Amino acid sequence: DIQMTQSPSSLSASVGDRVTITCRASQTISKFLNWYQQKPGKAPNLLIYAASSLQSGVPSRFSGSGSGTDFTLTISSLQPEDFATYYCQQSYTNLGGSFGQGTKLEIK
Amino acid sequence: QVQLVESGGGLVKPGGSLRLSCAASGFSFSDYYMSWIRRTPGQGLEWVSYISSGSTFTKYADSVRGRFTISRDNSKNTLYLQMNSLRVEDTAFYYCARGGRVPTTGFYYFDYWGQGTLVTVSS
Repeated sequence: DIQMTQSPSSLSASVGDRVTITCRASQTISKFLNWYQQKPGKAPNLLIYAASSLQSGVPSRFSGSGSGTDFTLTISSLQPEDFATYYCQQSYTNLGGSFGQGTKLEIK
Repeated sequence: QVQLVESGGGLVKPGGSLRLSCAASGFSFSDYYMSWIRRTPGQGLEWVSYISSGSTFTKYADSVRGRFTISRDNSKNTLYLQMNSLRVEDTAFYYCARGGRVPTTGFYYFDYWGQGTLVTVSS
């Protein structure tokens, strides 16, 4: 099984900050990596697919990069609505891909 | 617009059963793979199962294989998850999600999710 490890598990930041979240796969997964955002009481929302492709309707301050085993999600300038939990997911095993444990982004 | 609405969650004793439903609208349901994903307290998201558009293929996480069964009724635009032999560790919010794919590639993702239904397994 492919294990996905995110870091950090939690992060405090301020509005306007640049934030980076890291996701590492236990084996190479090429660019088969997605990122989701989940706010309390809401459904998860797809942000990035195929490691770096921005989902339609997602603000351009979100970007993804990486390939192989190491990936990053970057928010260029945090907005108040960005405080949420972020998950990476590998899709190397198609739709049955494992998720990272999540990174909770909180207001400093 | 795309809508996915789960129902059927509730409180059940260990060893009991529940059947979750997910009513889909706003897209051609029969054209898409569908999946169940759960969020357990303190554990994050865990993929549970998926089913192909015509029900030909199904796949399950090791943690639920042999106890859960995914199915769909394309005439009713509805996805199901039959959960048997429930365990305390199955306690979670259960989400249905639509499987998307970049055309002509193997890049899959979940592009629409429901709001979730809570399953609590406790004596």
